[in-house]
Amino acid sequence: GNSVTQMEGPVTLSEEAFLTINCTYTATGYPSLFWYVQYPGEGLQLLLKATKADDKGSNKGFEATYRKETTSFHLEKGSVQVSDSAVYFCALSESPGGTSYGKLTFGQGTILTVHP
Amino acid sequence: DADVTQTPRNRITKTGKRIMLECSQTKGHDRMYWYRQDPGLGLRLIYYSFDVKDINKGEISDGYSVSRQAQAKFSLSLESAIPNQTALYFCATSDRTDQPQHFGDGTRLSIL
Repeated sequence: GNSVTQMEGPVTLSEEAFLTINCTYTATGYPSLFWYVQYPGEGLQLLLKATKADDKGSNKGFEATYRKETTSFHLEKGSVQVSDSAVYFCALSESPGGTSYGKLTFGQGTILTVHP
Repeated sequence: DADVTQTPRNRITKTGKRIMLECSQTKGHDRMYWYRQDPGLGLRLIYYSFDVKDINKGEISDGYSVSRQAQAKFSLSLESAIPNQTALYFCATSDRTDQPQHFGDGTRLSIL
């Protein structure tokens, strides 16, 4: 079946540091890949997505590139802010025709804390 | 107003009680989902519905049931709650399967 593996957390950084959160996946076909962010007390919000190999999703200074050869979708930001403190989830949606088409498979989440 | 509204936001109850969590949406989406979130486990799918007449089990449906009363409403029930169902529950909606899902703010459920 499908699976998503994120780097272990929590991650603690100082403001303006570089961020990488690793995400690798196992799926059949060509899944769509997503990063969601969850701020304290809130639901998940879509941060960015990519639907095919070599696509780069970007939003709010965050980027992730769909790498089919390494089955990865690592999240990066060049300079984090205190307001980026949240839980980040990598997820995939299987391509049409797959048995899990239409459902999201999530990684376990990575807690990010940014200090001033 | 929120596009995806979950009620209640918090609930504490006792083992053996019947619980209903409700979700309503104003986005006009056909597809609705129920997840539970546990620390270190991410979100796991309980049930999903692609339209009013289509209900499907997710990966952890045991002990839960759902009702899709209308396009805009999708309820999750715990017929006889047990402590290991203590978790944060999320409802989500989507337009098509290749569109991102939109989440409610969650219901924190504690079963004593």
